[in-house]
Amino acid sequence: GQQLNQSPQSMFIQEGEDVSMNCTSSSIFNTWLWYKQDPGEGPVLLIALYKAGELTSNGRLTAQFGITRKDSFLNISASIPSDVGIYFCAGNGGNFGNEKLTFGTGTRLTIIP
Amino acid sequence: NAGVTQTPKFQVLKTGQSMTLQCAQDMNHEYMSWYRQDPGMGLRLIHYSVGAGITDQGEVPNGYNVSRSTTEDFPLRLLSAAPSQTSVYFCASSYSRAGGQPQHFGDGTRLSIL
Repeated sequence: GQQLNQSPQSMFIQEGEDVSMNCTSSSIFNTWLWYKQDPGEGPVLLIALYKAGELTSNGRLTAQFGITRKDSFLNISASIPSDVGIYFCAGNGGNFGNEKLTFGTGTRLTIIP
Repeated sequence: NAGVTQTPKFQVLKTGQSMTLQCAQDMNHEYMSWYRQDPGMGLRLIHYSVGAGITDQGEVPNGYNVSRSTTEDFPLRLLSAAPSQTSVYFCASSYSRAGGQPQHFGDGTRLSIL
């Protein structure tokens, strides 16, 4: 089956710093999705990527679909307190539907005062 | 527009009890799914549905039943609760089953089995 390795598991940064996280899959993916989960809430979609090499931004967030189709990256520029939360990558390959979507284990972002 | 609504938000059960977790969406989405979230693990699919009257098993279906009598509702039933089912449960929906269709998640049900 498809497996995802998401890193780092946690990050402790100061407000204003830039953040980078990534996900690597064991197989080629056709789709990469990045979600954010706030405490006590469900994941919310941040960015969706559908093409190798694609670079997409959503405000201060930028995500890229790796050329090898086996990885994806999420960058957050100039972090602010509301960026705190858990970030998940998800993806699938082949002609699979959403029932084969695989989720990473998450990157927990904490901002140190 | 409420999106995906889950009830209850919290529940404590005793081993062997049964209960139903409710999920409703008002976006006329075809595809609905149930996930469980456990510490240190990614979301794992329990059951899913591609439309009213059609359901199928996901990665971890044992101990759970689902039904889809309407487009809007997709309840998850725990038949005989076990401590291993202590988890946070999320319902999600998307316009279609197609891979990569972004899913909208509810806020979750936090379930503890004693």
